[in-house]
Amino acid sequence: QKEVEQNSGPLSVPEGAIASLNCTYSDRGSQSFFWYRQYSGKSPELIMSIYSNGDKEDGRFTAQLNKASQYVSLLIRDSQPSDSATYLCAVAYGQNFVFGPGTRLSVLP
Amino acid sequence: DAGVIQSPRHEVTEMGQEVTLRCKPISGHNSLFWYRQTMMRGLELLIYFNNNVPIDDSGMPEDRFSAKMPNASFSTLKIQPSEPRDSAVYFCASSEPGQGDYGYTFGSGTRLTVV
Repeated sequence: QKEVEQNSGPLSVPEGAIASLNCTYSDRGSQSFFWYRQYSGKSPELIMSIYSNGDKEDGRFTAQLNKASQYVSLLIRDSQPSDSATYLCAVAYGQNFVFGPGTRLSVLP
Repeated sequence: DAGVIQSPRHEVTEMGQEVTLRCKPISGHNSLFWYRQTMMRGLELLIYFNNNVPIDDSGMPEDRFSAKMPNASFSTLKIQPSEPRDSAVYFCASSEPGQGDYGYTFGSGTRLTVV
């Protein structure tokens, strides 16, 4: 059984702080990892992908991957109230994505 | 690009009725996925197609559910007969050839309520 785990939250951070979201996965064969953002009542939106160990930065977002520890994280710098959403970690097994349950982030003004 | 288009956006139906959800993938995307999202179970893959051929339907919960993709620009997910436990948001997503590495694009979803 391929599993993806996340803390459900809610994770509350003050505006301007760094939000750290974590994800672990069960299958070492995974090669591709994604973070999706989902606003309430909306569909998931791809915000980051990462394939190699290390960090990948895109604007205020940094994805981190450690395949040995089977761990993926997403850092959001200078958090804004508009970042308040549920963040879904997804692990690709071929074309099939397994999604984690999501972490609800609340950025407080 | 209009993105992945799903219809209807909302559907309320009575238990026992047939429900048909529709999806138009992004032009040029050859893979199409149907997901169901609930509070209890999160996002679950129901079935996916490559080049209009069903590849993995192991997530389809039971025989009441069926999906078709008669051509590259259209897919349906049918529930017959519907039950209250089928109430969920159903998402369709598509991706480009070999694009497991690049993520899916989701449609806006169909919120199904079975009463």
